[in-house]
Amino acid sequence: AQTVTQSQPEMSVQEAETVTLSCTYDTSENNYYLFWYKQPPSRQMILVIRQEAYKQQNATENRFSVNFQKAAKSFSLKISDSQLGDTAMYFCAFMKLKTSYDKVIFGPGTSLSVIP
Amino acid sequence: GAVVSQHPSRVICKSGTSVKIECRSLDFQATTMFWYRQFPKKSLMLMATSNEGSKATYEQGVEKDKFLINHASLTLSTLTVTSAHPEDSSFYICSAAPFFGSSETQYFGPGTRLLVL
Repeated sequence: AQTVTQSQPEMSVQEAETVTLSCTYDTSENNYYLFWYKQPPSRQMILVIRQEAYKQQNATENRFSVNFQKAAKSFSLKISDSQLGDTAMYFCAFMKLKTSYDKVIFGPGTSLSVIP
Repeated sequence: GAVVSQHPSRVICKSGTSVKIECRSLDFQATTMFWYRQFPKKSLMLMATSNEGSKATYEQGVEKDKFLINHASLTLSTLTVTSAHPEDSSFYICSAAPFFGSSETQYFGPGTRLLVL
């Protein structure tokens, strides 16, 4: 079975600074997807970034980038130039790569507070 | 595009009554929908996977007779909490995977807050 671990229950960062959220996972699969989701106080889940395991290049989306280390089964999220709107719960998630849609397994989450 | 709605957004009911929550994909067809439960400050816990035209697949520990799921069309799945009790109070979220599109894409609804008195 796959598991996702986020070892930082809470983090804070000063506005405009950079913060890195950690995520490790355990799987015997070779092909899979990894995601970071954001859940602001509205509780709407928002996809921040995704990474295909077969791609060596780390995914980036504007101020968000990941450090994907497949051998170490590590998938950290870096947020640059933090903004107040980045305050939210962040969930790391895993999904097996299949021809049909499979379920997503979420980590326990990291609560990020951006301090003005 | 790719909007998923849930109705109602919040509901308060008396213990022993049943509550139905709807999940709709507004601008795409969804072969698969997922139902999650989320407790305060906790992660999303998958309850069941719903495929159009077939029975839902429930996760271990989830009572299928308690949480009835119907995926009657490619745009609508419903979750009915039967004989609700205070311990069923929670935040319920659905997500939908498009019939056409990349296999990793799923879109989340805004959630439904259920309070059972």
